[in-house]
Amino acid sequence: GAGVSQSPSNKVTEKGKDVELRCDPISGHTALYWYRQRLGQGLEFLIYFQGNSAPDKSGLPSDRFSAERTGESVSTLTIQRTQQEDSAVYLCASSLSLAAANTGELFFGEGSRLTVL
Amino acid sequence: GNSVTQMEGPVTLSEEAFLTINCTYTATGYPSLFWYVQYPGEGLQLLLKATKADDKGSNKGFEATYRKETTSFHLEKGSVQVSDSAVYFCAESFYNQGGKLIFGQGTELSVKP
Repeated sequence: GAGVSQSPSNKVTEKGKDVELRCDPISGHTALYWYRQRLGQGLEFLIYFQGNSAPDKSGLPSDRFSAERTGESVSTLTIQRTQQEDSAVYLCASSLSLAAANTGELFFGEGSRLTVL
Repeated sequence: GNSVTQMEGPVTLSEEAFLTINCTYTATGYPSLFWYVQYPGEGLQLLLKATKADDKGSNKGFEATYRKETTSFHLEKGSVQVSDSAVYFCAESFYNQGGKLIFGQGTELSVKP
């Protein structure tokens, strides 16, 4: 597709279960970001990948959160042993390059809404 | 620390009304400033930006001026349309921070015919 694709669009899970969220960036985009938006709050940075460099994981809230990216394509955000406070919309964004990202040229997916019961 | 604060929504206006959405920032350096918009059923997209003090970003009739003295980047439009109904996010970023954005909480705008 032409844009950033995320799946699932909605996920309801029970506390303690693991979840995986997927992001397909725009083809050719080397930079990929994950953000989280909890109800009534702004987007919080979680992690970003740039080419083959080590990812910047500085925004991950706990060791229950992890993410992987295969080359310059698909990324998966995994949340282990989910808690109710993990309920949020998880947004993925990609950018052609780090330089483009620095100018704000990020393309966002529609997000994955996670509800932890 | 660095942060962005927006006026709370929702904001409801009649078509052709004047729009202002306030945004203020705190920064330890010299950020670039952005407004993103999220239309219903779509992902966020960049609306406009400004990279240094006194710069004015503009797009689709929207404007925002980077005011260092008041640490503000208020979004304005002279005459809103129903199609402007969306959620608007103010954000800042710093060079050499990997393109990471610091967002405000978003302001929902609803324009009635």
